[in-house]
Amino acid sequence: DQQVKQNSPSLSVQEGRISILNCDYTNSMFDYFLWYKKYPAEGPTFLISISSIKDKNEDGRFTVFLNKSAKHLSLHIVPSQPGDSAVYFCAARRYSGGGADGLTFGKGTHLIIQP
Amino acid sequence: NAGVMQNPRHLVRRRGQEARLRCSPMKGHSHVYWYRQLPEEGLKFMVYLQKENIIDESGMPKERFSAEFPKEGPSILRIQQVVRGDSAAYFCASSLDNSPEAFFGQGTRLTVV
Repeated sequence: DQQVKQNSPSLSVQEGRISILNCDYTNSMFDYFLWYKKYPAEGPTFLISISSIKDKNEDGRFTVFLNKSAKHLSLHIVPSQPGDSAVYFCAARRYSGGGADGLTFGKGTHLIIQP
Repeated sequence: NAGVMQNPRHLVRRRGQEARLRCSPMKGHSHVYWYRQLPEEGLKFMVYLQKENIIDESGMPKERFSAEFPKEGPSILRIQQVVRGDSAAYFCASSLDNSPEAFFGQGTRLTVV
């Protein structure tokens, strides 16, 4: 039972354009969502997060949107840069107050930024 | 300030052997988490430890797998009598408190032949 779904295994975007990565979840108990970025042969790096009481969080070129009624979140990167090429994982926290032990990850989306 | 250090980076074991994966958390971090990533899959939580204590091992297989985080030294994930299905990337993460924004190591890629 996959509770966090990233339905696009890969996404190709031209440099300078907007990249939109999507994530759907099924468990309404999830209360905190995170995006991690991963380069080949490296560990995931925390990128941005959002609490379920918000619908938007912005950090520089990265914005995460949360639609609770649709159980959907998205990560927007604008403008996209070559260094953004990586695998992006969506993660959700299983229970309120929990830490990294309570994270459920999606399978990831491989973002490719084309020059 | 070194990040989370995992070693070895790559480990090859024959079926039936033991695998020992080590993780040194970031300086000052006392919370350690182990995750496993199977090919084409997302990361799956295995175990959460604080110094000398296992807090949550709900994601760890009941047999052959064990983890420890001693008072001194790195955290160890131990897999006894490895099988081909244990081949995966094993990631360790650490945090200062029990925060969801943990810092991950580079992982150990275990191959069972």
